[in-house]
Amino acid sequence: GEDVEQSLFLSVREGDSSVINCTYTDSSSTYLYWYKQEPGAGLQLLTYIFSNMDMKQDQRLTVLLNKKDKHLSLRIADTQTGDSAIYFCAETSLSGNTGKLIFGQGTTLQVKP
Amino acid sequence: DVKVTQSSRYLVKRTGEKVFLECVQDMDHENMFWYRQDPGLGLRLIYFSYDVKMKEKGDIPEGYSVSREKKERFSLILESASTNQTSMYLCASTISGTSGLELQYFGPGTRLTVT
Repeated sequence: GEDVEQSLFLSVREGDSSVINCTYTDSSSTYLYWYKQEPGAGLQLLTYIFSNMDMKQDQRLTVLLNKKDKHLSLRIADTQTGDSAIYFCAETSLSGNTGKLIFGQGTTLQVKP
Repeated sequence: DVKVTQSSRYLVKRTGEKVFLECVQDMDHENMFWYRQDPGLGLRLIYFSYDVKMKEKGDIPEGYSVSREKKERFSLILESASTNQTSMYLCASTISGTSGLELQYFGPGTRLTVT
């Protein structure tokens, strides 16, 4: 079945790079996504990558996609205390045009000053 | 900007009560979703709807029902609340498309406590 796996916790020091990893099972997913959830809030879309790309960069964010290993990562350069949040990766469900996504468990990023 | 609003941020209910959680989106999206979020389990899909009066079960529909009488509004109903339904409930919406790109927009969430 469809499954998305993430580690639950990552702690880094302010100014360091953070790398959050994710593995997924559905090789037919056309898009993969990263969402951010700040404390007490809903999820907001951070970035997404089309499955025929292997890298996408957006300011401090770099997404790497390894389709062979079904591995997705999100790198945050120069991590700030404001980056402390839960990060979810997601893939498009096999259900097609219903807009359904399959989410991972979420990785809590703790940034220490 | 897309806006998804949820009727309450925090809710406390007693076991056995009927609970209504309301979600409204202002972007004319066809698809709407209800998730529950629990630590270590991520988001689990309860129900979704791809059109008015249409609904489909998600991964954990037991103990819940939904209603979509108008396109902009999607309600989650707990017929008889139980303590194991204490959770954060998140609503989302997205426009239906054929490109495969699904941008879900989330509400702020309702933290429900059942005592």
